[in-house]
Amino acid sequence: GAGVSQSPRYKVAKRGQDVALRCDPISGHVSLFWYQQALGQGPEFLTYFQNEAQLDKSGLPSDRFFAERPEGSVSTLKIQRTQQEDSAVYLCASSLAHIIGTAYEQYFGPGTRLTVT
Amino acid sequence: GQQVMQIPQYQHVQEGEDFTTYCNSSTTLSNIQWYKQRPGGHPVFLIQLVKSGEVKKQKRLTFQFGEAKKNSSLHITATQTTDVGTYFCAGLWHTGTASKLTFGTGTRLQVTL
Repeated sequence: GAGVSQSPRYKVAKRGQDVALRCDPISGHVSLFWYQQALGQGPEFLTYFQNEAQLDKSGLPSDRFFAERPEGSVSTLKIQRTQQEDSAVYLCASSLAHIIGTAYEQYFGPGTRLTVT
Repeated sequence: GQQVMQIPQYQHVQEGEDFTTYCNSSTTLSNIQWYKQRPGGHPVFLIQLVKSGEVKKQKRLTFQFGEAKKNSSLHITATQTTDVGTYFCAGLWHTGTASKLTFGTGTRLQVTL
């Protein structure tokens, strides 16, 4: 694939349901990031993987949020017992590498718009 | 935590006018990136600045990084309707651990004929 893909593009969940959001990064990209973007705001960092290792999860808002990247490629962001405040666009981005102290450009996917009713 | 502020939040210009957005951090940045997000789209990388006082140009876009590496600006000369979107700066701090980008609040640009 030419770019980062995410599925589903739209998800409506009832409050209390669990959801799983998928991200397919660009092939060969070592680093993978998840962001949450509320309406009219900038993307907010959730978590970061380097290959299969989750190196930073400081942005996950609560223990209801869980992310994994078991084989260092596809990643899944899971939200348990969804709440209305979880409604947002969830963006995935990948980059070639991510060396401490510097950064490479991040390629974003189209996002998953989650609406919790 | 680290924060990046952007001003203005919104600007409406007529096609052909210039536009500038400013990005400020209270602490020294390692580097800064700029992204553009079209309405309904996702952020797209524009440029990265690393050195103090660095200036980079991309056609009608000029990016600057302050001498103290605490602020940055994006200037668009003679705006076109294709420039419509939200422009985000994203700051990187070297914390000694896996570093991450912190996005600014964004400046939404509207261009009319």
